[in-house]
Amino acid sequence: EAGVVQSPRYKIIEKKQPVAFWCNPISGHNTLYWYLQNLGQGPELLIRYENEEAVDDSQLPKDRFSAERLKGVDSTLKIQPAELGDSAVYLCASRGDDNEQFFGPGTRLTVL
Amino acid sequence: QQQVKQSPQSLIVQKGGISIINCAYENTAFDYFPWYQQFPGKGPALLIAIRPDVSEKKEGRFTISFNKSAKQFSLHIMDSQPGDSATYFCAASMRDDKIIFGKGTRLHILP
Repeated sequence: EAGVVQSPRYKIIEKKQPVAFWCNPISGHNTLYWYLQNLGQGPELLIRYENEEAVDDSQLPKDRFSAERLKGVDSTLKIQPAELGDSAVYLCASRGDDNEQFFGPGTRLTVL
Repeated sequence: QQQVKQSPQSLIVQKGGISIINCAYENTAFDYFPWYQQFPGKGPALLIAIRPDVSEKKEGRFTISFNKSAKQFSLHIMDSQPGDSATYFCAASMRDDKIIFGKGTRLHILP
């Protein structure tokens, strides 16, 4: 069974540029999460989807961050415009019927 | 306010020794306490988890000890191996399944 797939794995951009990350969850998993992980820190939830509905986006900085999960499968997280402080690893995770979350390898973003 | 406090920040253990990582939580509504293991360049992976109705859970060399009254739980890795070298995160969640992670412990097992 394939795990959570994320792309790109690495991204380097200039500040003020837009960037997008893509996530393909494990097949059949209705719940999808986007997390932010700063260096030396634990992951922090940005947004949680149940199918195509965002049920918890309280930690998403909505002035520059946006996310979508069309058709309740793949998801895209976008930052526009990116700032220096956005440099981090962006993790996607999905969950099936039990409580276990499966994480993807993450996208490491560097903003110059 | 940090809801899950983890210590130590880093830990060095001799091969064959016992690695112990501690966590404390504040919110008594938490009802699920997982531990995640993360290798460089990888996402966190669930290692072992416990619910507050039991005081201990063991899976192979990994054991969670849980003290509900003290609001503390710990991970014990017996017979630690170099392959166990990774970053470990304790976490806690409530029924709405939002997981709160600790800051992590970087474990290094000396060969």
